[in-house]
Amino acid sequence: GENVEQHPSTLSVQEGDSAVIKCTYSDSASNYFPWYKQELGKRPQLIIDIRSNVGEKKDQRIAVTLNKTAKHFSLHITETQPEDSAVYFCAASRRGSYIPTFGRGTSLIVHP
Amino acid sequence: SAVISQKPSRDICQRGTSLTIQCQVDSQVTMMFWYRQQPGQSLTLIATANQGSEATYESGFVIDKFPISRPNLTFSTLTVSNMSPEDSSIYLCSVDTDPGTGELFFGEGSRLTVL
Repeated sequence: GENVEQHPSTLSVQEGDSAVIKCTYSDSASNYFPWYKQELGKRPQLIIDIRSNVGEKKDQRIAVTLNKTAKHFSLHITETQPEDSAVYFCAASRRGSYIPTFGRGTSLIVHP
Repeated sequence: SAVISQKPSRDICQRGTSLTIQCQVDSQVTMMFWYRQQPGQSLTLIATANQGSEATYESGFVIDKFPISRPNLTFSTLTVSNMSPEDSSIYLCSVDTDPGTGELFFGEGSRLTVL
């Protein structure tokens, strides 16, 4: 089955800095890569996703890149703010399934 | 999108007892999922709740321990049976409102503590 590795497990940045979270996956048939944000005590919520037919997608301060050859994808957050502090999960799912396999999560801490 | 209500939101349980978690969705959905999130850990799929048939369990999870009901397209329950402290976790209901897109909507979760 699919295996998703996520790094780092913890990321601490100063407000205004950029943050990058990286994930790798094992199943070459995976074609959908969502990112979820889980604030403390809250439910995970989708913040951005990318499909295998594109290499990059942006939404304001967040962007995701995908390298299918290397089987890795990354989340980039620019101009971080304290409200970006949360646990971020990457995931991968494959054609015909759409049940994602999640990474272990990255705890992002943005210091004011 | 979907509005998902889960209850209880939290509970403290005694070893050896069972607890049933309910999940109600504000629209009919084909697929409902139950996840477990242990403290500081990722989201692990327990099973897919299928309407009108038995749930499909992931490796490491069995029906005797986690019986699931899915009586209709808006409701499901997960029972955690014969609980031990290792079952202390957050249990999350999730739905895929637009099959094929891949986006999941989650309930707020049920935080169980087993003493």
